Amino acid sequence: ETGVTQSPTHLIKTRGQQVTLRCSSQSGHNTVSWYQQALGQGPQFIFQYYREEENGRGNFPPRFSGLQFPNYSSELNVNALELDDSALYLCASSLGTTIYEQYFGPGTRLTVT
Amino acid sequence: RKEVEQDPGPFNVPEGATVAFNCTYSNSASQSFFWYRQDCRKEPKLLMSVYSSGNEDGRFTAQLNRASQYISLLIRDSKLSDSATYLCVVQSRGNTGKLIFGQGTTLQVKP
Repeated sequence: ETGVTQSPTHLIKTRGQQVTLRCSSQSGHNTVSWYQQALGQGPQFIFQYYREEENGRGNFPPRFSGLQFPNYSSELNVNALELDDSALYLCASSLGTTIYEQYFGPGTRLTVT
Repeated sequence: RKEVEQDPGPFNVPEGATVAFNCTYSNSASQSFFWYRQDCRKEPKLLMSVYSSGNEDGRFTAQLNRASQYISLLIRDSKLSDSATYLCVVQSRGNTGKLIFGQGTTLQVKP
C-alpha cells in the first residue's frame, strides 16, 4: 500500500450541490496532486499543491478548488456540481514537485445525479 | 490530438501468449515515462518506468524511442492475473511534473 488515504470512498450528490473530498498524503510527502478519471478514460490532472500553495493547474474551471494544510493533507472542493463531474477522483502524494514519483490513493468515486 | 495516445483494445489473449502495447506522445520535451496498471475500480499502480535503453522486469519489457516519441510494453507468458488496464504515462517537464495519462489499453487473459 502507498500510505495515501482518501475519504469518502463513494459519494452521491445532486446536480448543483457542493462536495469536499479529502486526501492524506504519505508521511514525509509535501506535495499533493489531484486527478479526475472519467469512465473509460485515463486520469486528468486537476491541480497540485506544494507546501500549502497551488503549484499548477490543469484545464478545469474555477469551481474546482483546493486546499493544503500544514500537515500536507489536502482537500478538493467542487461547487455547482454537474453531471459530467461524475468520476473517480484520485490524489497522489510525492516528496516534491517535478521529477518525484507520485503515489496514488484509492480514490473517491463521485456520482452526480 | 491527445497528448498521449493508446489503442484502447480490448486485447483478448490466451494464457501464455505474448502481447505488446504501444503508445505515442506529442510533447518532445516530456521528461519521464511510465507504464501503470489499473485494476477495475482501483487506483493506478506503477508497473515500471521506461528508459531509452529499454528495461525489463521479469516477464515485462518496456522500451522508449524518443526520436519517434513512442513507448512500448511487452508482456511475455501472460497470466490470468495480468488482466487489467495498462496506462501509458508521460511526466511533463515543468514546475509540477504532472502525469499525463493515455486512455489505457484493456487486456483480458483467458484460460
